Amino acid sequence: DGGITQSPKYLFRKEGQNVTLSCEQNLNHDAMYWYRQDPGQGLRLIYYSQIVNDFQKGDIAEGYSVSREKKESFPLTVTSAQKNPTAFYLCASSSTGQGQPQHFGDGTRLSIL
Amino acid sequence: QQQVKQSPQSLIVQKGGISIINCAYENTAFDYFPWYQQFPGKGPALLIAIRPDVSEKKEGRFTISFNKSAKQFSLHIMDSQPGDSATYFCAASSGGSARQLTFGSGTQLTVLP
Repeated sequence: DGGITQSPKYLFRKEGQNVTLSCEQNLNHDAMYWYRQDPGQGLRLIYYSQIVNDFQKGDIAEGYSVSREKKESFPLTVTSAQKNPTAFYLCASSSTGQGQPQHFGDGTRLSIL
Repeated sequence: QQQVKQSPQSLIVQKGGISIINCAYENTAFDYFPWYQQFPGKGPALLIAIRPDVSEKKEGRFTISFNKSAKQFSLHIMDSQPGDSATYFCAASSGGSARQLTFGSGTQLTVLP
């Protein structure tokens, strides 16, 4: 089945620690996205990538980093600079034509120990 | 700042009733308006989408109504069922190869049996 796989489903971070969230897609989509979801605030864009080896900051990129070395993979690192990392993180992908919908993974819930 | 304002925050409807969720936007460059459905612990799934060149789109029990002059759009769920109980997000995006979606804050719908 084609889709987006996010792992792990739950992740705990200690103070001062960097953690990396995995996102893999087998939909052959060029574009990939990372969103943060907090209660009552909808989804906010962290980073997006339209093509391998290229990515752009979204609305809330501070304290996060990404890489796009392969078309199917777009890992997100939550660095120690992100002071409030507790949230539900969602990865999405889409084709790059007009009106192409974004398909989402089932998310990673990150909590602070 | 690009914003999409969604209301109500929560909605309780009896089985068989009509659920109505409203969204308003400010950016006249928005040209794609999807609605997503999200169940607890899952990623959002595309429900239905509309472009501003039509005033209404219907797919099964779900209908989007679009008012370009008022910069508003709404989701109507006819014959609401308990299985429709979920969080619904409206979103909007403008041109560009990576469709950067701006999301509303979400509506938690509960359909009582």
